[in-house]
Formats: sequence, structure tokens, C-alpha cells
Amino acid sequence: TQLLEQSPQFLSIQEGENLTVYCNSSSVFSSLQWYRQEPGEGPVLLVTVVTGGEVKKLKRLTFQFGDARKDSSLHITAAQPGDTGLYLCAGALYYGNNRLAFGKGNQVVVIP
Amino acid sequence: DTEVTQTPKHLVMGMTNKKSLKCEQHMGHRAMYWYKQKAKKPPELMFVYSYEKLSINESVPSRFSPECPNSSLLNLHLHALQPEDSALYLCASSQTPGPAYEQYFGPGTRLTVT
Repeated sequence: TQLLEQSPQFLSIQEGENLTVYCNSSSVFSSLQWYRQEPGEGPVLLVTVVTGGEVKKLKRLTFQFGDARKDSSLHITAAQPGDTGLYLCAGALYYGNNRLAFGKGNQVVVIP
Repeated sequence: DTEVTQTPKHLVMGMTNKKSLKCEQHMGHRAMYWYKQKAKKPPELMFVYSYEKLSINESVPSRFSPECPNSSLLNLHLHALQPEDSALYLCASSQTPGPAYEQYFGPGTRLTVT
């Protein structure tokens, strides 16, 4: 059973367009992390959200944690080719000790 | 500095070989992790070390043997692997073993078993 569902699985957009991807669950998380991964490389941590309703911005990327701490979204404004990558969300479970539950990822392709 | 380093970057080994993967971090983190990632799949947790002691083993076959010589180093010893073990092996670390602490990943070792 996949604890975190990410949608859409694949998204292709033109440079300059906006996009939003989602990470949903029926479980409550103590925190949720977003990573970006390039092919053959390790995931790079983008942001951690901890408080329900929290919004964090990283340049053109806006991350929101749902009020109930069960879901999150990532919005990219004016996407650039450098935003291309696999976006992984990972939730820290209260009862999971050190475990992170990973979603399968949102593959984003920004076409120049 | 949030850097985790891994060596080697690529490794090709036969099924009878013995090899080791190495991971290092100098962030003072006290929890370190090994993950396995197959193509188009999310990372799968293999082992967790907490304060240099093995705290989680996710039922990993004994042909994978982790070792934590000190708080900065993590090794994964490989022996008699199978072709299906070919994958990207990722090391990660976090400040402490708490669930709310961020995990920082290394660049990975691409392992091919022939």
C-alpha cells in the first residue's frame, strides 16, 4: 500500500508556464519533505514543512502543507528548463521512528 | 555544508565478487541510512544506524552487510550479489534519529551486478 500518492505522475509544460503537483495521503505526518532528483543522482532536499497550513517559498517554488498534515502541494511559477526533474515527497510518520514514506514522484519536464 | 559523499560513483561486479560502498558526512549527524532505488521507483529503506548502532534492518538479505565504523562513516559490504541487486544505492544522514529531522542524501552509487 502506497502511503503517499503523487499526481500527476508525469507533466510536460512549456517554459514560462505555471504548474502544480500534489502529494496526498490518508495518514497524518509530523513533517513532509520535498526532494528533486535528477537521473542517476541522489535526491536533493528542497524544503521541509512541519506545521499544518504552512506555506514555504523557495524562489519560484511554493510549497504548502495541508491543514490536517495529510497532503501537500508544490507550485512552480514561470517554469524553467532547470526545473526539470523528479519531485519526490516524503512524509515522516509519528510511529515510524526514522522511516520516511516516499511517494512515487512527479516527473516534470519543462520544454525550452 | 549539507554534503554527503559516496564512493564509488559506479561499480560493476560479478556475482562472486566482494566489494564495499562507502559513505561519509561531516555535518555531525548521528543517524545514517542506506537506501536502494530501482529505476522509476522511490528509494527503499534498507538500514538505519542511530548513534553508530544498527537500529533498523528492513529484512535485507545477508549478502548486504552494513557497518558504521564511526559517526561520520557508513559502509555497505557486498558479497555474492544477484543481478536483481543492480540499482542505485543511496546513503543519507539526518541530525538525529527523530522522525521530524530532514534526511540529506548523497549522490549515490550505481551498482551493476553481472
